Formats: sequence, C-alpha cells, structure tokens
Amino acid sequence: DAKTTQPTSMDCAEGRAANLPCNHSTISGNEYVYWYRQIHSQGPQYIIHGLKNNETNEMASLIITEDRKSSTLILPHATLRDTAVYYCIVRAPGTYKYIFGTGTRLKVLA
Amino acid sequence: ETGVTQTPRHLVMGMTNKKSLKCEQHLGHNAMYWYKQSAKKPLELMFVYSLEERVENNSVPSRFSPECPNSSHLFLHLHTLQPEDSALYLCASSQVIVGENIQYFGAGTRLSVL
Repeated sequence: DAKTTQPTSMDCAEGRAANLPCNHSTISGNEYVYWYRQIHSQGPQYIIHGLKNNETNEMASLIITEDRKSSTLILPHATLRDTAVYYCIVRAPGTYKYIFGTGTRLKVLA
Repeated sequence: ETGVTQTPRHLVMGMTNKKSLKCEQHLGHNAMYWYKQSAKKPLELMFVYSLEERVENNSVPSRFSPECPNSSHLFLHLHTLQPEDSALYLCASSQVIVGENIQYFGAGTRLSVL
C-alpha cells in the first residue's frame, strides 16, 4: 500500500472551511483514497473515499489531484464537534489492510 | 451508532485472568477485523476474517486468540496478558466488494492489564 503524509496538526475557526491535505505520491492506479476521523478514544469514523474523481457527501468533499499524488479533505463549515484526528489511507483493491498513520489532529476553535 | 457493537466498553484484568472481548455487527457484512491502538500509536491490524475464515494474522502473540463463529460475531479471547497489552481494542466490519472496502468501526474496548 502507498504511504501517506499528513500534517501533524491544524487549527480551524468554527464556521470556516477546514482543508486537510494528504500526500500519497507513490499511489498506484487502482488504489483508493479513504478518509476517516477518530474523536478522542472512540472508533474511527468513515468519512469519504475516492479513486480518481472528486467526491462529495453529507459530511465532506474529497478533492483528488489529476496526477492522484495528493488529495484534500474539505469540511465546508467546521464545528467544534469536528475536532478529531483525521486519517488519510490508501488501499489497493483485493487487500484487507488499512495502514493507519498518525493522521492530522484538527482543532476547531470557537 | 455504526452498526458495530463491542462489549465490554471497559475491562480491567490481571495478568493471570482469562477474558473475552465480543464484537457484533448488524450490517450484513462479510469481513470482520480486530485492531489494537496503544497510547499515542497508530492503529495496528491484528486479525482479519473473511467469510468466517481467518485471512490475516499480523504476528500477534498467541495470548490473543480470535474466534469468528459466524459472519455477525467476532471474539478476541485473552489469557496471560502483559501490562503492555493495555490498549484500546477496536472491531470493524466491511462488505468486501470489487475495488472498495469501507470499514465500519465499533466504539472499542478499553483494556487495562494490571
């Protein structure tokens, strides 16, 4: 599986968009990008995933660059409840393993 | 509520005890997972069951013994644990289809070994 690189921490003002970057420069053509978040001491929560195209759901938007070497998770209007560790994961089809890194600790400020 | 339920939520055990963690998924998924999350460390995959067969075992010590009696239930049997086994143990499930594998996690069991 491709490795991912994320900033260790970020702050965002409440109500503003939170843009969380992820670098996955060694990604292969068939590997999906998944985003999860983990609120303190709870299980990770699935947010969104994509292969090539940008994706949007009720929680967030995922922007994947054309060369697929990086992506950005966008929380359009961050709230205090979005304070969590956000993980970007790349996984190849046919494998079960998610490799969780250390993620980005997002703090939403009032 | 993710559809994956873990019990107990908290467990304290001595090094000579035997205990079991239970996971139940109500999502109709065909794969289940055990992860370990130690303090300030990333999640580590321990075991994977697909269609009730163990398909992955990531060099986990034998004092951890998984069991998957059916597609909805997963157990982790614990015996003679060490203090360094204290961690958050997470269960997940997924419906493995071509290309995609979205895993849904339970809330975890916080284990303390004394």
